[in-house]
Amino acid sequence: EDQVTQSPEALRLQEGESSSLNCSYTVSGLRGLFWYRQDPGKGPEFLFTLYSAGEEKEKERLKATLTKKESFLHITAPKPEDSATYLCAAPLLNSGNTPLVFGKGTRLSVIA
Amino acid sequence: GAGVSQSPRYKVAKRGQDVALRCDPISGHVSLFWYQQALGQGPEFLTYFQNEAQLDKSGLPSDRFFAERPEGSVSTLKIQRTQQEDSAVYLCASSSRGGRTYEQYFGPGTRLTVT
Repeated sequence: EDQVTQSPEALRLQEGESSSLNCSYTVSGLRGLFWYRQDPGKGPEFLFTLYSAGEEKEKERLKATLTKKESFLHITAPKPEDSATYLCAAPLLNSGNTPLVFGKGTRLSVIA
Repeated sequence: GAGVSQSPRYKVAKRGQDVALRCDPISGHVSLFWYQQALGQGPEFLTYFQNEAQLDKSGLPSDRFFAERPEGSVSTLKIQRTQQEDSAVYLCASSSRGGRTYEQYFGPGTRLTVT
């Protein structure tokens, strides 16, 4: 069964303290890896899609990278407003527009 | 532009009551997905549609759950005879078709509490 596992479950950082979140997946084949941000009481907000090992994408202080077995979300010099739950997901089926399998998320707290 | 909207945002139901949750997808998005999210967990797939066709309902937890999208736009998730274990946030997402770009855009969710 396809699985997506995220670590750590929770991460507490001081403002400006860079770190990385991990997402490992056992889905068969590489059909895309998605990162979302979720704030309390809100739906997930799309951040990145990665399709190929070695691919990288950046947005402000976030950079997502992908290998054959895992993805990392690097957070450089985080600010308190980066505090949220970060979710990783992979497509359930080997075709476009399929449901996603989500990890449990990493709860990030950035302290000023 | 308008995103995915869901209503109601909050619903409290007594055990045994029926509830209906509504999702308005982004205009023009052909695919619509329903997920259930328990506290502290990631979203879990329930069912999805392409236009009005329900392509997969394998994630629905029981036959008390039913979803429809009769005109290929608005969708309704109905839960009959609600149970306490149905308490969760129900998320709707939509995506456009085409290429390999199929990011799903989520609504704010409906928080269902069964008492």
